[in-house]
Parts: sequence; C-alpha cells; structure tokens
Amino acid sequence: EAAVTQSPRSKVAVTGGKVTLSCHQTNNHDYMYWYRQDTGHGLRLIHYSYVADSTEKGDIPDGYKASRPSQENFSLILELASLSQTAVYFCASSGDRGGQNTLYFGAGTRLSVL
Amino acid sequence: AQSVTQPDARVTVSEGASLQLRCKYSYSATPYLFWYVQYPRQGLQLLLKYYSGDPVVQGVNSFEAEFSKSNSSFHLQKASVHWSDSAVYFCALSPTNSAGNKLTFGIGTRVLVRP
Repeated sequence: EAAVTQSPRSKVAVTGGKVTLSCHQTNNHDYMYWYRQDTGHGLRLIHYSYVADSTEKGDIPDGYKASRPSQENFSLILELASLSQTAVYFCASSGDRGGQNTLYFGAGTRLSVL
Repeated sequence: AQSVTQPDARVTVSEGASLQLRCKYSYSATPYLFWYVQYPRQGLQLLLKYYSGDPVVQGVNSFEAEFSKSNSSFHLQKASVHWSDSAVYFCALSPTNSAGNKLTFGIGTRVLVRP
C-alpha cells in the first residue's frame, strides 16, 4: 500500500526561527506536494516537485522553501517562521498520469508558531 | 483560475439516514473531479474520482457522486450513513491540461453522524 510518512507529527516553533518539515514516500512516485490546511480555506498548495533536485511554486509559496534531494524525500522549510504560518501541513505524492492521479497523503504535521 | 465551492460547512445527520454533500466548481473545461475524506487526526483519503464517461461514479464505502456539466456540480451521496462516516469531506478539482495533479480544494464539509 502507498505510504507517505511525515515528521514531526507536531511542532512548536518560535517566531523568527527556522522550521523544517520532512516527508518520505515509498510509493516510487515522481510527484510530491506540500499543502497547508487552515480552517475556512481547505487545503492550499505551497510547493510541488516532479523530479529530484527540482521544485516548483504552488499557489501560496511566499515564506516557504522546498527541497527534493531524492525521489523519496521532500522537505518544506520555513526560514523565518511567522504566526501566520500556524497550520496543519500535509505532504502528498502521486504518479505521472497527469490530473487523473490519486494523491496519497501523509498524516500531517501540526505546526504552532508562538 | 479554477475554484471549488462547498456551500455547507457542517452537516449533521442521523445514523441510517441519507447524506448529500454539495460541490460546485468553476473551470473553463471539464476538469478531473475528486472527493477526499479526512478522518480525525489522519491525512486525506480518496473516496472517488471522475475524469470521463458515466457521470455517476461509485466509490469506497458505498459513496457515489454525480457529475453534471450543465450545473458545474459534483455532488456526493450515500444512501445510509454509519457513525463511522463522521469526518470532513473535501471536493477537489484538477486541470486536465497539466502534468502531475495540482489539486484545488473546497473548504470541506464536516459531517457528524448522530447515533
């Protein structure tokens, strides 16, 4: 079964600090995504990647960086965490058949910035 | 730009009753459409998807959805709900002209099933 693992599951960070969220998939998928979930907004795409060593901006990339060092791993980096980045973050992966693909999600990381 | 609207933030139903969750979309062509479910403290899981053919699609756990091009809708239904169907349900859209699957989600509908 498809598997996407996120770490940590929850984190408390201080304003201005650096935060790294990690994601690992064992699906052999080319595409990986980072979404954030906020009440009243559903999920919004931050960054995505379709190949190692390359990342693309999603709909809300400001304040976030992404890194894809290998096919299996995809990280989301908050260089200077802010209060507005308090949210639940989901990583997902999918195959390469375009928009028909099913996304497989991790369990999420709950980030609180204080 | 595409968008997805789920007009009902919360729905409460009794166990055994029917359920319909509404979803309207805005896109220049016929998109790929999805329903995902999020159980407490879990990630999202696919319920069903539509990309062509029969407008009525069957999904897991006896859920089904009907695509309507004329109404730009993709409503989700279940004939008889169980308490375990309590969750948040997301409708999502993917453009047909892009690689990968960059979904646009609705805000979700929280369903509470009363015993």
